[in-house]
Order: sequence, then structure tokens, then C-alpha cells
Amino acid sequence: EPEVTQTPSHQVTQMGQEVILRCVPISNHLYFYWYRQILGQKVEFLVSFYNNEISEKSEIFDDQFSVERPDGSNFTLKIRSTKLEDSAMYFCASRRTGGQNSPLHFGNGTRLTVT
Amino acid sequence: SQQGEEDPQALSIQEGENATMNCSYKTSINNLQWYRQNSGRGLVHLILIRSNEREKHSGRLRVTLDTSKKSSSLLITASRAADTASYFCATVTTDSWGKFQFGAGTQVVVTP
Repeated sequence: EPEVTQTPSHQVTQMGQEVILRCVPISNHLYFYWYRQILGQKVEFLVSFYNNEISEKSEIFDDQFSVERPDGSNFTLKIRSTKLEDSAMYFCASRRTGGQNSPLHFGNGTRLTVT
Repeated sequence: SQQGEEDPQALSIQEGENATMNCSYKTSINNLQWYRQNSGRGLVHLILIRSNEREKHSGRLRVTLDTSKKSSSLLITASRAADTASYFCATVTTDSWGKFQFGAGTQVVVTP
């Protein structure tokens, strides 16, 4: 079964550094998402992306964050200047259609540790 | 406001027992979905119930939805050790078709 793949699985970075988290969504999917989960807490929506632009973003997704679909397969999340509180699991998700009944397919996440 | 709050936060049962967890939400929804997360992995979609449905079954899963109480329940019957995971409800609100909102989940441990 096709799956969403994320790399790296674990990223350690120093505060203030830029990180890029990479995702390859399922190939025929058109809607892409980033979520994050701080350890033991809820899964938080960051941003949704469709047709090469952001559809919605949360309050967390400030100007330190950006997303890009540089080619037909990759979907990236960039954090320009990481903070300690950015430490979390970051999940990429995709779905084939934008219909309300179309479920999300998640990758296994990237664990970001900011020191 | 926070959507999709699950309770209990944690549940420990023995194999063969049923596990029930609940989800409450605050605003009008189009549907409610349940996902499972094994430790260190991504979330996996289990079942979706539309706002005009009251109950739905899938294998050993039974989901109910009460829109008047803004709540849903997930029942796992005859649990197995492999059901050990965290379970999350996700809502898609009527004003935001693209944003799934998750709670903090119910951590279920099934002991053999």
C-alpha cells in the first residue's frame, strides 16, 4: 500500500539553526499537511497546502515556518531559526481529495530535537 | 477553542476485554474520525462517522456519534495485545473543511 515517507526520522539541531523536514506524499494525493506533536500532548495542526499554495495555517505557523513543494514529489517544512520549544514530532500527511470525508494518511514523523 | 478531547487519558485492560473511549468536541462538525498511533509512529485512520450517522461498525470497532451532546465513543471489542496504542479522535468542522483537529488521545494498554 502506498505510504507517506518522511526524512530524516530524527533531526538534532542547535537553537537558531535552520532545519528542513522532508516528506514525500502519496503520489496521487493533492492535499498536503504538516502537524506536530509535542511529547505526550495532542497532535496540532500547522498548515495545509493545495495547488502550490497554503490553504490554511494555525497560529503556530508564524513567519519562522514555511512550506514548499519544490517538485512533483517532495513537500518540505522549513523552520528558519529554531527555538527550544520547536522540539516535537513533526508529521506530514496527505489526502487524495479535499472532500470532507477523505481521511488523512500520515508519515511516521520526524523527531526534531532543538538543543 | 479546543476540539476533540478524548477521555480517559489512559486505559489499561486485559486481552479479551472491551475498551471504550470517548471524545467530546465544541463546534459543529461534518464528520468525526478516529485514528490510532502506535508508539513512535504516524497516525493511522481507523473509521469515519458522518454527522448524520449515529453508529458505525468496522470489524471489532464500533463508533457512536451524538451530535446533540457533541460526543463520540469508540469501542474496541475483544481487545488484543496488538491493540495497544494511542487513539485519537479528529473533527472536521463546518467552517474549515481542510483542517483536522485532534485531541490529546487515549493511551490504551492491553495486557496478555
